[in-house]
Amino acid sequence: AQSVTQPDIHITVSEGASLELRCNYSYGATPYLFWYVQSPGQGLQLLLKYFSGDTLVQGIKGFEAEFKRSQSSFNLRKPSVHWSDAAEYYCAVGGGQNFVFGPGTRLSVLP
Amino acid sequence: DAGVTQSPTHLIKTRGQQVTLRCSPISGHKSVSWYQQVLGQGPQFIFQYYEKEERGRGNFPDRFSARQFPNYSSELNVNALLLGDSALYLCASSLEGSGGFGNIQYFGAGTRLSVL
Repeated sequence: AQSVTQPDIHITVSEGASLELRCNYSYGATPYLFWYVQSPGQGLQLLLKYFSGDTLVQGIKGFEAEFKRSQSSFNLRKPSVHWSDAAEYYCAVGGGQNFVFGPGTRLSVLP
Repeated sequence: DAGVTQSPTHLIKTRGQQVTLRCSPISGHKSVSWYQQVLGQGPQFIFQYYEKEERGRGNFPDRFSARQFPNYSSELNVNALLLGDSALYLCASSLEGSGGFGNIQYFGAGTRLSVL
């Protein structure tokens, strides 16, 4: 069965600072990996996905993520955070007949 | 183009009642999935339907059921409501569903269910 862990419940960064959100997954085969963002009262918006190929994937809003098979990780990064990036971020793994979200990391941005 | 639409937006029920939530996928999408998001937690997968057939089921009791119609819209039914069923119920659609979850899912804004 798949599982996803996001070690950081809450992260606070200053506007303009760099960001890295951690994600570790467990899945027996090559996983489909995703990062979603959820703003208060909103649905989930896809930031980026990894299916195969290049392990560094680019997404929307300046986000990128790197798939590292040896570490079972799919960390999300952004070089310079904007105040509008404050939200809840979810890593997810899909495969077979199941789709599993992590518990989420809440990002706060200081002015 | 319209995104995934869910109705109603909010719903209040009492314990023991039954509820039906509705979802219309993006035009051309044939797969619909349902998720439950309890406050402060990540979404949990309930069902996936593709071409009107159930293709996946999460770890939820039989009180939860769903179906997909010929126009690919879907309903989620929950019987004998419990206080713990209070949550945001999210619907997602994708183009295909035959390959499991290797397709991008697009989410609706959800239905907020409160059970009193």
